[in-house]
Amino acid sequence: RKEVEQDPGPFNVPEGATVAFNCTYSNSASQSFFWYRQDCRKEPKLLMSVYSSGNEDGRFTAQLNRASQYISLLIRDSKLSDSATYLCVVTSGGFQKLVFGTGTRLLVSP
Amino acid sequence: NAGVTQTPKFQVLKTGQSMTLQCAQDMNHEYMSWYRQDPGMGLRLIHYSVGAGITDQGEVPNGYNVSRSTTEDFPLRLLSAAPSQTSVYFCASRSETGAYYEQYFGPGTRLTVT
Repeated sequence: RKEVEQDPGPFNVPEGATVAFNCTYSNSASQSFFWYRQDCRKEPKLLMSVYSSGNEDGRFTAQLNRASQYISLLIRDSKLSDSATYLCVVTSGGFQKLVFGTGTRLLVSP
Repeated sequence: NAGVTQTPKFQVLKTGQSMTLQCAQDMNHEYMSWYRQDPGMGLRLIHYSVGAGITDQGEVPNGYNVSRSTTEDFPLRLLSAAPSQTSVYFCASRSETGAYYEQYFGPGTRLTVT
């Protein structure tokens, strides 16, 4: 079983739609959680950290459910520029190595 | 502010050749790492370093060597290239403030081994 699992998508949504991605992780000892964004043929970039209490950054909301070991990302009012692959990331082991999911691809259309 | 830089951007090697992928960061980060990204596999950790003189293996270290003689530089050496090493390689460095991690990636090196 992969340590971090995501639905690869693609999720095809129209502009203005709300879309949500989930990610599950297997290591109950994981302490920190993140969403990264990766544009086509570019490097991943941090989108937001995920806190136990949930957190919001503009149109983006991230939630953590430790009991069920999943993380979610909600994007409201989708823009064309949101089209990208969203990577779920958790920390693992000594030195808190980052473990990446394979990503969920989002396509926002006009 | 250069951030994390990688050279070369593209490279084609023949099976059995060796080469070094260069990585440098100017943010004074202690933690640096190398990943490879393959379709359907996500980013996989090859090697990492928690400071100058300290390196350790990640998930897929075979066929690769690293060293960390300075805080800034973290080169990745392919000892004898194989077609299975065709991939996109990302170097990253990380700032750590308590439990907060922000990992910065370089632009990547696209390697093809024929």
